[in-house]
Amino acid sequence: ETGVTQSPTHLIKTRGQQVTLRCSSQSGHNTVSWYQQALGQGPQFIFQYYREEENGRGNFPPRFSGLQFPNYSSELNVNALELDDSALYLCASSKGGYADTQYFGPGTRLTVL
Amino acid sequence: GQNIDQPTEMTATEGAIVQINCTYQTSGFNGLFWYQQHAGEAPTFLSYNVLDGLEEKGRFSSFLSRSKGYSYLLLKELQMKDSASYLCAVSNAGNMLTFGGGTRLMVKP
Repeated sequence: ETGVTQSPTHLIKTRGQQVTLRCSSQSGHNTVSWYQQALGQGPQFIFQYYREEENGRGNFPPRFSGLQFPNYSSELNVNALELDDSALYLCASSKGGYADTQYFGPGTRLTVL
Repeated sequence: GQNIDQPTEMTATEGAIVQINCTYQTSGFNGLFWYQQHAGEAPTFLSYNVLDGLEEKGRFSSFLSRSKGYSYLLLKELQMKDSASYLCAVSNAGNMLTFGGGTRLMVKP
């Protein structure tokens, strides 16, 4: 158990809809990173939030957006869902230091029909 | 660009030793992580290397050669519960992780 929680566990949406995924970071951590993991592949970095500011972004379109709150919890929003957005979405929290270990939550399984 | 390669699948026998290799070419390097991921679960942290050499942690060891862009994870005394995917990830500036595709290890009796 890492202390990182995510909700919901599973979600089914249809193409074109919007979705919000939530993540609570581990106590003492101020950095949250989001990853997308397609079936059978490694996680791909979406973006990272450090003290409520976006701190870096991977190769994802602007319809992927996020927020971090004062308690360091975070949201990932995806607009105009596409079939290829079906994946496991993982968030990871860390202390924000140099190469600090990231601890992952259990993930949200998103299915887009 | 970023490129991290690891074998897709490996099979080993219970009680044996297995080595999972990872090669990388990345634009920044703050260290290399290994994670274990059981099917349907979150990745869990196994090891971190930033300097060349071997880091040992119980049955698991991880090796890094920065000049060769190469790492391996060594699992000794394999147990059935070690059947999982093993993810190699490089941390770059800002501590953003770039992952390889993962190596699915099957341990057979």
